[in-house]
Amino acid sequence: GNSVTQMEGPVTLSEEAFLTINCTYTATGYPSLFWYVQYPGEGLQLLLKATKADDKGSNKGFEATYRKETTSFHLEKGSVQVSDSAVYFCALKISNYQLIWGAGTKLIIKP
Amino acid sequence: DAGVIQSPRHEVTEMGQEVTLRCKPISGHNSLFWYRQTMMRGLELLIYFNNNVPIDDSGMPEDRFSAKMPNASFSTLKIQPSEPRDSAVYFCASSTSGSSYNEQFFGPGTRLTVL
Repeated sequence: GNSVTQMEGPVTLSEEAFLTINCTYTATGYPSLFWYVQYPGEGLQLLLKATKADDKGSNKGFEATYRKETTSFHLEKGSVQVSDSAVYFCALKISNYQLIWGAGTKLIIKP
Repeated sequence: DAGVIQSPRHEVTEMGQEVTLRCKPISGHNSLFWYRQTMMRGLELLIYFNNNVPIDDSGMPEDRFSAKMPNASFSTLKIQPSEPRDSAVYFCASSTSGSSYNEQFFGPGTRLTVL
């Protein structure tokens, strides 16, 4: 079946550190992949997406590359800020409206 | 645009009471989603409407839950009777529909506590 696995949190880093949040998936075919972010007290919002193998999604300094060979879509940022503290969700598209969501990874950035 | 609007933001009620959550989607969006978020189960899709018609309600946990969308600018999620295990954050999201996936825009959520 379809599933998304994210690394467990919380992930705690110091400001300006390099960030990686791992996401792997199982799916039939070649689905689109997404990262959503949830800031405290808010709803989720789309951070970036990739629709086919080898695509790189990027936004606000975050990047993720769709790796078909490893079925992965890891989120990276070169230098995190305190304002990046949030919960990050990896998601897999299985229809034109439905997503399979990862469990979310809480990121804490300390000044 | 004001974004997706949900009310109330917080609801505390006693077991057995009826709870109604409300959502106003972004103007022009014709797809609407209700989600439930808990620590144990993560984010779950409860129901999906397209052009005000329920298309997929397979995520609705049981008959105590019902959802309506009487027009393009309003939807409700009702729980009757409520139980402590219904305590969660409920999100409404909207998007435009089409042959490919379109970004879902989430409201701020309603935090429900059933005592």
